[in-house]
Amino acid sequence: TQLLEQSPQFLSIQEGENLTVYCNSSSVFSSLQWYRQEPGEGPVLLVTVVTGGEVKKLKRLTFQFGDARKDSSLHITAAQPGDTGLYLCAGDRNTGFQKLVFGTGTRLLVSP
Amino acid sequence: DTGVSQDPRHKITKRGQNVTFRCDPISEHNRLYWYRQTLGQGPEFLTYFQNEAQLEKSRLLSDRFSAERPKGSFSTLEIQRTEQGDSAMYLCASSLRTGTNSPLHFGNGTRLTVT
Repeated sequence: TQLLEQSPQFLSIQEGENLTVYCNSSSVFSSLQWYRQEPGEGPVLLVTVVTGGEVKKLKRLTFQFGDARKDSSLHITAAQPGDTGLYLCAGDRNTGFQKLVFGTGTRLLVSP
Repeated sequence: DTGVSQDPRHKITKRGQNVTFRCDPISEHNRLYWYRQTLGQGPEFLTYFQNEAQLEKSRLLSDRFSAERPKGSFSTLEIQRTEQGDSAMYLCASSLRTGTNSPLHFGNGTRLTVT
């Protein structure tokens, strides 16, 4: 059972469009991480958000942690084909090590 | 930084056979993790080592699974009497023990197919 639900599961858009991916849970997390995974490769960390309400920007990507630390969003502005991949959120339940609970994933396809 | 290395990249085996995977973490990383990812899902935690000590095991890790990290460097994950349900990508990750938020570095995984 996945404690973190992501939506949408699949998104196909044109280059230049904006999009938002959501990561929701009924559980509180001490921090939340976003990863991107390419086919045949391991996930690569994009960002970690720690404080409720925190917003972090990584070029065209904006990450927000919900005030109650139960949800998060990833917004991509002017998507490019290089953004194509599987986006995963992962919550840390403050176990003292990285025993992460991963979301179900959002597969993004950006066409030229 | 040579990254986390996993071997083999792909393994096809028949049901009932034993398989062993190897993970070489980033050299100065003292924490090592195994995760499993099935098709269309996010990774699920299996087990965690700090140096050579296995400190946490998921209930997903049945008694057919055993993981070791004998000298606190590389790790092996063995699956005995494989079942079709074991087919998945097995991911290894490592991190430094500098705090709970020290980033995980994942390898590219071993894809297991049990026929």
